[in-house]
Amino acid sequence: QQQVKQSPQSLIVQKGGISIINCAYENTAFDYFPWYQQFPGKGPALLIAIRPDVSEKKEGRFTISFNKSAKQFSLHIMDSQPGDSATYFCAASILNTDKLIFGTGTRLQVFP
Amino acid sequence: NAGVMQNPRHLVRRRGQEARLRCSPMKGHSHVYWYRQLPEEGLKFMVYLQKENIIDESGMPKERFSAEFPKEGPSILRIQQVVRGDSAAYFCASSPPAAADQPQHFGDGTRLSIL
Repeated sequence: QQQVKQSPQSLIVQKGGISIINCAYENTAFDYFPWYQQFPGKGPALLIAIRPDVSEKKEGRFTISFNKSAKQFSLHIMDSQPGDSATYFCAASILNTDKLIFGTGTRLQVFP
Repeated sequence: NAGVMQNPRHLVRRRGQEARLRCSPMKGHSHVYWYRQLPEEGLKFMVYLQKENIIDESGMPKERFSAEFPKEGPSILRIQQVVRGDSAAYFCASSPPAAADQPQHFGDGTRLSIL
């Protein structure tokens, strides 16, 4: 019940395309859903986060869509760029100061 | 503004030795979290500490692992009698005292290799 399932494991997108990564959870007590971006040799960096009282949040080229009834949320990267090539992790927690439960990650490669 | 500082960045130990990993949280942050990342996997929560208190250690192995966050100085993750399976990247994160929309900020990790 504490799991967060993430797909796909890897994703190849052409420059300018849309990258879509999906996550699903079971614990309805989760109320904070961040996405992290990680480059090789670096720690995860917060990209964007959402709470379940909204269905969508947009920051620049990054959008989170949230479906509370389906217990799913997704990250959309519009106009994907080669610099977006990284591993992306979804996560969930009960209150944003509690432990984060991470998905298994998606390795995104954006080709010019 | 200094971020979360972890040292060392790389640590090599032989089986049976002790490993000490240090984490200095961001200025003003009083909550520290440790996570472990195995190759090609996501991060797994280990322990959550506030100054001089362990709040949640549900992800810590029962033996050989301990963590502290003293009143003064960095948080320390200690692994005694290391084994090959302890090889991983260990990440520390910090956050301010409980408040809405205050995310965890991560350091760049310590990569532990066991020979």
